[in-house]
Amino acid sequence: GAVVSQHPSWVICKSGTSVKIECRSLDFQATTMFWYRQFPKQSLMLMATSNEGSKATYEQGVEKDKFLINHASLTLSTLTVTSAHPEDSSFYICSARDSLTYNEQFFGPGTRLTVL
Amino acid sequence: GQQLNQSPQSMFIQEGEDVSMNCTSSSIFNTWLWYKQDPGEGPVLLIALYKAGELTSNGRLTAQFGITRKDSFLNISASIPSDVGIYFCAGPLRDSNYQLIWGAGTKLIIKP
Repeated sequence: GAVVSQHPSWVICKSGTSVKIECRSLDFQATTMFWYRQFPKQSLMLMATSNEGSKATYEQGVEKDKFLINHASLTLSTLTVTSAHPEDSSFYICSARDSLTYNEQFFGPGTRLTVL
Repeated sequence: GQQLNQSPQSMFIQEGEDVSMNCTSSSIFNTWLWYKQDPGEGPVLLIALYKAGELTSNGRLTAQFGITRKDSFLNISASIPSDVGIYFCAGPLRDSNYQLIWGAGTKLIIKP
């Protein structure tokens, strides 16, 4: 149980294009999903908290118009990196909180984004 | 603000040795979570602790929730090559929407 999938697992795109990353909770309902960014050899950096049916809450310094988040259902959240630039290249990881557990978050396998 | 201090930053050990790492904070936590992350993968939850003093095992892994609620440790007994990776502690932010704050991680390297 508690499986979270992410798609795609990796993507290479040209500068200026937009990229959508999907995060799905496969066997549980997730009222809350989180999007993280991780640079090499560093810990996870929370970008935003996504609540089903409402607007995402972004962390300080994260541009909401740059990183669009949509949490349209209890099992799906999407992150769209708009007009991507090389500095957006990173490892993006989502996590989902099982509505039935208290504080545990279950993570997707991550998406490696490379912007040329 | 709340912070988690995780140590050591890295460990070089021989296969078969026991490993110990810990997280401390100046703030009280009501939950401690331990995750392992392999290269190019998302973190995987190893152990969740919910009660002060709680000692929980998962195979060769044992974690304890400190009695003061300000610390936690993770032990790995008889390490094997697949234990290599980065281990993170995490705890929920006060007054947050279940957001976690993270330790900096402990990188475990096993010497051949």
